[in-house]
Amino acid sequence: AQKVTQAQTEISVVEKEDVTLDCVYETRDTTYYLFWYKQPPSGELVFLIRRNSFDEQNEISGRYSWNFQKSTSSFNFTITASQVVDSAVYFCALSEGLRSGNTPLVFGKGTRLSVIA
Amino acid sequence: NAGVTQTPKFRVLKTGQSMTLLCAQDMNHEYMYWYRQDPGMGLRLIHYSVGEGTTAKGEVPDGYNVSRLKKQNFLLGLESAAPSQTSVYFCASSFRWALRLRANVLTFGAGSRLTVL
Repeated sequence: AQKVTQAQTEISVVEKEDVTLDCVYETRDTTYYLFWYKQPPSGELVFLIRRNSFDEQNEISGRYSWNFQKSTSSFNFTITASQVVDSAVYFCALSEGLRSGNTPLVFGKGTRLSVIA
Repeated sequence: NAGVTQTPKFRVLKTGQSMTLLCAQDMNHEYMYWYRQDPGMGLRLIHYSVGEGTTAKGEVPDGYNVSRLKKQNFLLGLESAAPSQTSVYFCASSFRWALRLRANVLTFGAGSRLTVL
């Protein structure tokens, strides 16, 4: 069965610090997708990134970067030079790939990030 | 584009009452989902649908029923509300999983906060 663990419940950093949010996943499938979503204080859920299991290249988007390591079953998210607007709950999620499609997303419990000015 | 619209946004029920949450999407997505979010629990899948007239159970389906009579609508029903169903409910939709470029990228509604007294 698929499982996502976000061990960090809450993180607090001072503005301009770098911060890494950890995500560890479990799956028996060789084909799967990993996701990160952001939930700001307003409550909506915003898609950040999707990565498939065949692509282990790290990805960078502005101040955001993602490190995917199949050897450790991790898909960590780093925010460089954090800003107050980065304060949110961040969710990691996993979808397994099956022959006829993919399973619905299973989410981790989330990490609440507070960036202090 | 409205995206995914949930109604109502807030509702207070007494134990034993029934209600229906409505989700509507205008993106021509094939798949639709209902998740619930509880503090410290992340997002848990209640039910989902891969097309009109088709529904499937998720992780926490007990006490809920769903219907997908039209492609754009997905209804979540509580027949006899219980305090344990106090939660924030999120509807989401996505293209069918076979479209790999967009596989399982969920678009979420704004959420519906339900309180059962």
